[in-house]
Amino acid sequence: NAGVMQNPRHLVRRRGQEARLRCSPMKGHSHVYWYRQLPEEGLKFMVYLQKENIIDESGMPKERFSAEFPKEGPSILRIQQVVRGDSAAYFCASSPNIQGNEKLFFGSGTQLSVL
Amino acid sequence: AQSVTQLGSHVSVSEGALVLLRCNYSSSVPPYLFWYVQYPNQGLQLLLKYTSAATLVKGINGFEAEFKKSETSFHLTKPSAHMSDAAEYFCAVSIKGAQKLVFGQGTRLTINP
Repeated sequence: NAGVMQNPRHLVRRRGQEARLRCSPMKGHSHVYWYRQLPEEGLKFMVYLQKENIIDESGMPKERFSAEFPKEGPSILRIQQVVRGDSAAYFCASSPNIQGNEKLFFGSGTQLSVL
Repeated sequence: AQSVTQLGSHVSVSEGALVLLRCNYSSSVPPYLFWYVQYPNQGLQLLLKYTSAATLVKGINGFEAEFKKSETSFHLTKPSAHMSDAAEYFCAVSIKGAQKLVFGQGTRLTINP
């Protein structure tokens, strides 16, 4: 049973470009969470999604960031018009049930570098 | 709102020595507390969790943590460090029913031979 898969592992973008980060949850998991880790800081919650629904996006920046988890396919975190401050490690986690914070399985992350 | 403070961004111990990683939390309601470990180039793995049962929690790889309400602490310990314990350790807090974890900034543990 494959774990949470994130790709790409490393993503380099120039300022103003778009970044798309993908997350395939573990098989059978219908809850996905995105966290961001800025340099020298802990992971910070961004958004919680279930299939086709955004449940909690209280940690998402108001502009340029969006997330989706379609019925088919991976969850996508999209960052439009990236700026240098977006450079960070982005982690995805998944869980099988509503008590998600007790059994979160994390991916290896995507390191986004904005030049 | 919940918050977590990990004291010491870097901790270095000798192989065989006691490992102590400190975590203090703030929560207005009874918290759930977690320790995660991140090995290089890997995702976070759950080491152990406290969810209002026994205050001394045993986890994987010989780690344990004790919930002390009076000190608002949840320090992680291991009696004897092994070289394979070298990693980044994160303490996290949530509340029952909440879907999001609040993480500390992490502590990088180095083991000296």
